[in-house]
Amino acid sequence: DAGVIQSPRHEVTEMGQEVTLRCKPISGHDYLFWYRQTMMRGLELLIYFNNNVPIDDSGMPEDRFSAKMPNASFSTLKIQPSEPRDSAVYFCASSFGQGIGYTFGSGTRLTVV
Amino acid sequence: KQEVTQIPAALSVPEGENLVLNCSFTDSAIYNLQWFRQDPGKGLTSLLLIQSSQREQTSGRLNASLDKSSGRSTLYIAASQPGDSATYLCAGGDNYGQNFVFGPGTRLSVLP
Repeated sequence: DAGVIQSPRHEVTEMGQEVTLRCKPISGHDYLFWYRQTMMRGLELLIYFNNNVPIDDSGMPEDRFSAKMPNASFSTLKIQPSEPRDSAVYFCASSFGQGIGYTFGSGTRLTVV
Repeated sequence: KQEVTQIPAALSVPEGENLVLNCSFTDSAIYNLQWFRQDPGKGLTSLLLIQSSQREQTSGRLNASLDKSSGRSTLYIAASQPGDSATYLCAGGDNYGQNFVFGPGTRLSVLP
């Protein structure tokens, strides 16, 4: 397996624009997680899915953020409209139950100017 | 709400030394705990996972222990090498072992 695949690797956008981040989890993993990492706040869980169903979205900062998982092999994180404070590295991860096989993607570095 | 702290924030050691990284968590109801490694500009790689019924895990030169009663975990690295230089993060799992709360990490530098 190629691991967790995220795209794009880098994204630079202007404030107010819509941004869509993409993730392909490892085949067979039941859980998918979206994280955000910044120097100030460290690594924060935004939302996670179990069998394509959102389980906990309490980490989603605002209504501007939304995430979907239409099938077991694809998920998106959308920010609309984007703001400079959204600039961060966004990671997707997937795993089996109980944290087994926890694997992170390489991340998307988002810069909002 | 679970909070995870790590001490020290940064550590620099000469090659060959044995070292210990510390992790503390506030909620003893932690289900499991993982140690991760993060290289600059990269994602995190899981090193060791200690499940609820376990007290320690070993992989090669790495050994991690978990003491729920004291709210602590340690990662022991034996005979450190320059290739061990990275940031090490611990993460505590909730009572389902799924929602992991991450510590801020310890940045390790092993000098040749």
